[in-house]
Amino acid sequence: QKEVEQNSGPLSVPEGAIASLNCTYSDRGSQSFFWYRQYSGKSPELIMSIYSNGDKEDGRFTAQLNKASQYVSLLIRDSQPSDSATYLCAALTGTASKLTFGTGTRLQVTL
Amino acid sequence: SAVISQKPSRDICQRGTSLTIQCQVDSQVTMMFWYRQQPGQSLTLIATANQGSEATYESGFVIDKFPISRPNLTFSTLTVSNLSPEDSSIYLCSVWRGGTATYEQYFGPGTRLTVT
Repeated sequence: QKEVEQNSGPLSVPEGAIASLNCTYSDRGSQSFFWYRQYSGKSPELIMSIYSNGDKEDGRFTAQLNKASQYVSLLIRDSQPSDSATYLCAALTGTASKLTFGTGTRLQVTL
Repeated sequence: SAVISQKPSRDICQRGTSLTIQCQVDSQVTMMFWYRQQPGQSLTLIATANQGSEATYESGFVIDKFPISRPNLTFSTLTVSNLSPEDSSIYLCSVWRGGTATYEQYFGPGTRLTVT
């Protein structure tokens, strides 16, 4: 079974701090990785995609990928209360264009 | 990104009935995907809707329960049949969109189904 695993949280960080969200995957054939943000009652919104080892930065968000360790992370700098949401990690494997999702990490940014 | 609309946005249905959900995309795509998100859970892929061929269902999902239509390259419907309270979920359609450097999946706003 190809799996993507995340700590369900909640992860609580104070406003202005760095939030670190982690994800591991079991299928070494996974090629691409995605982070989605989902507010309660809303559909997932794509934040970042990452395809190669290393870091990818976009504004306050940095995605990190380590294929040798089968590990993906998302860093949110200067966390804001509006960042409070569930963050879903997803991996693309195989040739059928199907994403496998983790269970999500709930982030709470406190004032 | 992709502009995806779904109808209805929410519905309350009685058990034993069916609900058909529509998904419209702003441009042509080969594959459209249907997901289910049960309360407090992550996303589970139901099936891939291919234009011109039968949908491909994931393990645990069958055509009799979740018939799918794909009449053209911008539209698909998912029907949830013989509803039971366990079908209460958010149903989402999605598509891939991208170019040479990136290829990303985008979701519609979802349909929240409550079965009473």
